[in-house]
Amino acid sequence: SQTIHQWPATLVQPVGSPLSLECTVEGTSNPNLYWYRQAAGRGLQLLFYSVGIGQISSEVPQNLSASRPQDRQFILSSKKLLLSDSGFYLCAWSDQRHQFFGPGTRLTVL
Amino acid sequence: AQSVTQLGSHVSVSEGALVLLRCNYSSSVPPYLFWYVQYPNQGLQLLLKYTSAATLVKGINGFEAEFKKSETSFHLTKPSAHMSDAAEYFCAVSDTSSSNTGKLIFGQGTTLQVKP
Repeated sequence: SQTIHQWPATLVQPVGSPLSLECTVEGTSNPNLYWYRQAAGRGLQLLFYSVGIGQISSEVPQNLSASRPQDRQFILSSKKLLLSDSGFYLCAWSDQRHQFFGPGTRLTVL
Repeated sequence: AQSVTQLGSHVSVSEGALVLLRCNYSSSVPPYLFWYVQYPNQGLQLLLKYTSAATLVKGINGFEAEFKKSETSFHLTKPSAHMSDAAEYFCAVSDTSSSNTGKLIFGQGTTLQVKP
């Protein structure tokens, strides 16, 4: 069966520090991958999606970037975090029928 | 372009009462529609989905939703609320504007509170 992992589960970082969140999927090949952010009291915002290795589409301009170095690995990064980057980050994969979500990473930028 | 509107950001019901969470969509093509549930500090879990088969869709945990094309609605219901149903619920529609991406367009979410 397929599983999706995210780490770390929680992270507290100072403003201006770098960020790297990792997401990996097991049990499937060539999935579509997605990064979402939930800010406090707000819905899901799609940040990036990828339909293949090295193929990244950005949905909104922001301080973050994404990479897909391997088929089942999706990384969310930032060179310098802002206070507004705080939130709950969710990774998801899709089999073209529906999306399956990871457990999320709670990021607090102080 | 597709869109999803969830009416009511917060819904409160008593335990044992009917749960009704409203979702309206906008789509120029026959949509695929989804309901997800999110418990605190967890990812989203699929409750049910509509993919152009039966208009009444049954999901997990006793939830069901009915696709009504004439009303462009996909409301989520459960006959009797349980305390464990307290969570945030998201309605979503498949984004057909970009093929093969599997993107979904989510509503803003509805927080369900269940009172004892």
